[in-house]
Formats: sequence, structure tokens, C-alpha cells
Amino acid sequence: GEDVEQSLFLSVREGDSSVINCTYTDSSSTYLYWYKQEPGAGLQLLTYIFSNMDMKQDQRLTVLLNKKDKHLSLRIADTQTGDSAIYFCAERGTTDSWGKFQFGAGTQVVVTP
Amino acid sequence: DVKVTQSSRYLVKRTGEKVFLECVQDMDHENMFWYRQDPGLGLRLIYFSYDVKMKEKGDIPEGYSVSREKKERFSLILESASTNQTSMYLCASSHYPPEASAYEQYFGPGTRLTVT
Repeated sequence: GEDVEQSLFLSVREGDSSVINCTYTDSSSTYLYWYKQEPGAGLQLLTYIFSNMDMKQDQRLTVLLNKKDKHLSLRIADTQTGDSAIYFCAERGTTDSWGKFQFGAGTQVVVTP
Repeated sequence: DVKVTQSSRYLVKRTGEKVFLECVQDMDHENMFWYRQDPGLGLRLIYFSYDVKMKEKGDIPEGYSVSREKKERFSLILESASTNQTSMYLCASSHYPPEASAYEQYFGPGTRLTVT
């Protein structure tokens, strides 16, 4: 079955770049998503990328997709304390017509001053 | 703005009690989802619904049931709560997705349930 894997923890200094990595197994994945969860809150969509793209940039966020290796990354430039959160990678495959996502375990990002 | 609300932020129940978690969305979405979130395991889908009175099992439906009597409301029911159901429960909603298009699931703030 589908599987999405992420490292569980990342510590980064304020002002540095953060890179969060994700691997997935479903070769039929069409869209890959990054969600952010701040403490005590639900998930909020940050960005997504279609599988025929290899890069997407949105302000401080850069998403890189290596479809051959089934590897997705999220780079946050100039990381701020407000970026401290859990980041979830999710994928949606073509075999699913309902709109279900497969989520990773989430990466806890801690930004230190 | 899309709004998904959940009836309680925190809930404490005793083992064996019947527990109802309510979720309401205001965007006329066809799909609604219930997930549980546990550290190191991420989000796991319990049940989802694509229409009123329609439901499908997710990955971990055991010990849970759902009800969708109105389009905007999706309830998660723990028939007899057990300690291993202590978790964060997240509700989400979305439109029914077009085949070749990105779409988004919108999440509520979550209910942290403790079963003692």
C-alpha cells in the first residue's frame, strides 16, 4: 500500500534555511502537498506540487520533487520563530477517486534564536 | 473563509462511555473526513463521507462509527471508549475533487480526547 515517510524532528537557527524531506511509495501520485500545523491548531495547506513539475516556489517556500526517486522536499528560506510547527507531507494518487490523502508522520520543526 | 468547527477542543471521558465528536463545515463541501493524530504516526483516516448518509471506512475504523444526517455535519462516535482511543481527533472537509486537479482538505482545530 501507499506509504509516506518523513524524519520526525528538525532543529534550525533563526535566519537559516530549513529543509524538510519526504519520501513516498505510490508511483501513481499526482499531487503532493505540504501542510503546516501550529501548536493547538488544525492543519493548514502551505503549498502543493503536481507530479509533472520538479520545482515550485512561493515566497520563502521552495518545493522540489524528484519523481524518479519519489522524494519531495520543502525548503523554508530565512526561517523565523513563527515557522516552528509540525509539517506534514501528503500525497494523493490517481487510484483514489474520493480525494483521500496519505499523510506522513509529520516533522516537528523547532526554530531557535 | 472556509470554516470547519469541532464541538470541543478538550474532552475527558471514562472507559466504556459512549462519546460523540461533532464537526460542522460551512462551505457546502461534499466530502468530510475524520482522522486521528498520534505522535510518530501522523494522521490516520478513520472514516470519510462523500454525501449525506454515505460513509466509507478508512484505514483504522475499528471501535468507531460515523453519522452524516446533514451535509454540513459529520459525527464520529466511539461506541465504548477505551484508553487506546486517547488521541487528537481532526475533522476535515473538501469538495468532491475533479479528476485532474489539485484540491485541498480544510481542517478543524481538533479535539483532544482523553479516556481514563
